[in-house]
Amino acid sequence: NAGVTQTPKFQVLKTGQSMTLQCAQDMNHNSMYWYRQDPGMGLRLIYYSASEGTTDKGEVPNGYNVSRLNKREFSLRLESAAPSQTSVYFCASGIDRLGQPQHFGDGTRLSIL
Amino acid sequence: QKEVEQNSGPLSVPEGAIASLNCTYSDRGSQSFFWYRQYSGKSPELIMSIYSNGDKEDGRFTAQLNKASQYVSLLIRDSQPSDSATYLCAVNVYSGGGADGLTFGKGTHLIIQP
Repeated sequence: NAGVTQTPKFQVLKTGQSMTLQCAQDMNHNSMYWYRQDPGMGLRLIYYSASEGTTDKGEVPNGYNVSRLNKREFSLRLESAAPSQTSVYFCASGIDRLGQPQHFGDGTRLSIL
Repeated sequence: QKEVEQNSGPLSVPEGAIASLNCTYSDRGSQSFFWYRQYSGKSPELIMSIYSNGDKEDGRFTAQLNKASQYVSLLIRDSQPSDSATYLCAVNVYSGGGADGLTFGKGTHLIIQP
């Protein structure tokens, strides 16, 4: 009964380093999403995937890449981390039907020094 | 550009009273509306969803939607200290051909005073 699982929960990086945030869901949802949450800015969509094999840019995609590895897994990669990418990152999944909500993972707290 | 507006608060309500949280949205094509509760340091947790005009009740929570006014609200009856959290309003333009994510307001910080 895990729902949406994100790893790692915390990470500190140096400017210029790369890393991949992992997300997996066990609810058989077609759609998956990556958001970032910054103080005073609310949650903003980075990338989303409506189905396996497809990805699309959201509101703030610059500096990120994603991979929809299979129906369960959707990863977010920072190729060259910048201090402006310090944030809390949430993965979510959902069913693309009217009125159906998205379900969120516990988040990854990422600091870029 | 899709926008969702909320009063950031803090909104302070006495225990046992009704807390009223409001949200307006800009995209008239919006079809699904959600209220999430977020405790400090935690992830958003779904409280209510609504997609037709009128009221929807679930326990102590009532969501109200008025598409003509582009307005959605959340009422919390018999407020408890455990209701103290940030409440996020989220809106989705259901495309039918692929989900395009939620647009969130910045949230209203609610404080229930014992």
